[in-house]
Amino acid sequence: QSALTQPASVSGSPGQSITISCTGTSSDVGDYVSWYQQHPGKAPKLVIYDVNDRPSGISNRFSASKSGNTASLTISGLQAGDEADYYCSSYTTAATVVFGGGTKVTVL
Amino acid sequence: QVQLVESGGGLVKPGESLRLSCAASGFSFSNFYMTWIRQAPGKGLEWISYIDTGSDHINYADSVKGRFTISRDNAKNSLYLQMNSLRAEDTAVYYCARDIRYISAWGQGTLVTVSS
Repeated sequence: QSALTQPASVSGSPGQSITISCTGTSSDVGDYVSWYQQHPGKAPKLVIYDVNDRPSGISNRFSASKSGNTASLTISGLQAGDEADYYCSSYTTAATVVFGGGTKVTVL
Repeated sequence: QVQLVESGGGLVKPGESLRLSCAASGFSFSNFYMTWIRQAPGKGLEWISYIDTGSDHINYADSVKGRFTISRDNAKNSLYLQMNSLRAEDTAVYYCARDIRYISAWGQGTLVTVSS
């Protein structure tokens, strides 16, 4: 049950786009990749599910994709409120759940 | 609205036990898989366990297998986590969560501290 690999930190200026990668194995990164945003002291919040679907109420500035064993989350039009930790997750072929180590997004 | 409220956290000594509870409201609890996820201080998220709607399909992370037991009471809209043989590395905020394919709702978390 190894964690998915994410960069520790990503930064960008307001209005820019940033992309966070999430790498695993073919058993981990399948059709059930999800992404979560977590502000300090708060519970995580779902921003993407099933690789590239957005829950109701999530801005279309959040988009995601997958290529091979790597999933990616892109935040466009970066805003101050996007500064948070972001986690990828996947329901694996072994019927377990695995998270990435998390990426701290800083808005410069 | 969907609400998950955890309780039962606290300070315990290594080797002791603790039982966490999660009260669910605002949705049809018996129709959803439920999950426990934890987050050690300053660390990332770690999946702990999930249970299906009828308590027939249960799975655990290797880190807690044999020590933790997940259960649910659909009549009481409640999820539980019995934690035995606690270790210092089990210190974390424990979140009750809905679903497994993706977590569609999270509780606010309850802090478990294991220290002598």
